[in-house]
Amino acid sequence: TQLLEQSPQFLSIQEGENLTVYCNSSSVFSSLQWYRQEPGEGPVLLVTVVTGGEVKKLKRLTFQFGDARKDSSLHITAAQPGDTGLYLCAGASRGGSEKLVFGKGTKLTVNP
Amino acid sequence: DAGITQSPRYKITETGRQVTLMCHQTWSHSYMFWYRQDLGHGLRLIYYSAAADITDKGEVPDGYVVSRSKTENFPLTLESATRSQTSVYFCASTSWRGGNGFFGPGTRLTVL
Repeated sequence: TQLLEQSPQFLSIQEGENLTVYCNSSSVFSSLQWYRQEPGEGPVLLVTVVTGGEVKKLKRLTFQFGDARKDSSLHITAAQPGDTGLYLCAGASRGGSEKLVFGKGTKLTVNP
Repeated sequence: DAGITQSPRYKITETGRQVTLMCHQTWSHSYMFWYRQDLGHGLRLIYYSAAADITDKGEVPDGYVVSRSKTENFPLTLESATRSQTSVYFCASTSWRGGNGFFGPGTRLTVL
């Protein structure tokens, strides 16, 4: 069974601080997705990374896929209260499985 | 309305009753999924479907039944609800294997 471990589970920071969320596995994934979920809503896709070592930027968010495609990180620069939410990583197994494996999420709170 | 919708958004039922949660998508995506989200467990896959009339079990299928007679609809039925099925249920769809997931807004189900 493929597992994705996310850390930290909870993160509370002040506005303007930087943070990094990690997503780790012993399994290799063909791609990895990051979602953000706000209370009472479904997860919304932020980015998909496919190539080992790939880095993608989305405004103040930087996503990296590990060289071995077993891990990923999400870095937020100068966090804002609007970044508050649950961040989820999800991996698609090699061979193109229909199913995604989700991490348990990192609950981020950015205090003004 | 374009997108993916779920109904009802909230449901309270009693142990032993049958409950059906509806999911409808307007993109004609081939793949559709049902997840449940619980504290401490994250998102867990219940059932998925690769096309009309093709369904398969996910990680936690016991107590649930699905059907997919039309591409756009993917109802989830709890044949005899139990308290352990109290959860938030999300439907999702993608257009390709392991592809970007588009999630519905969720159904919060309480079984008394």
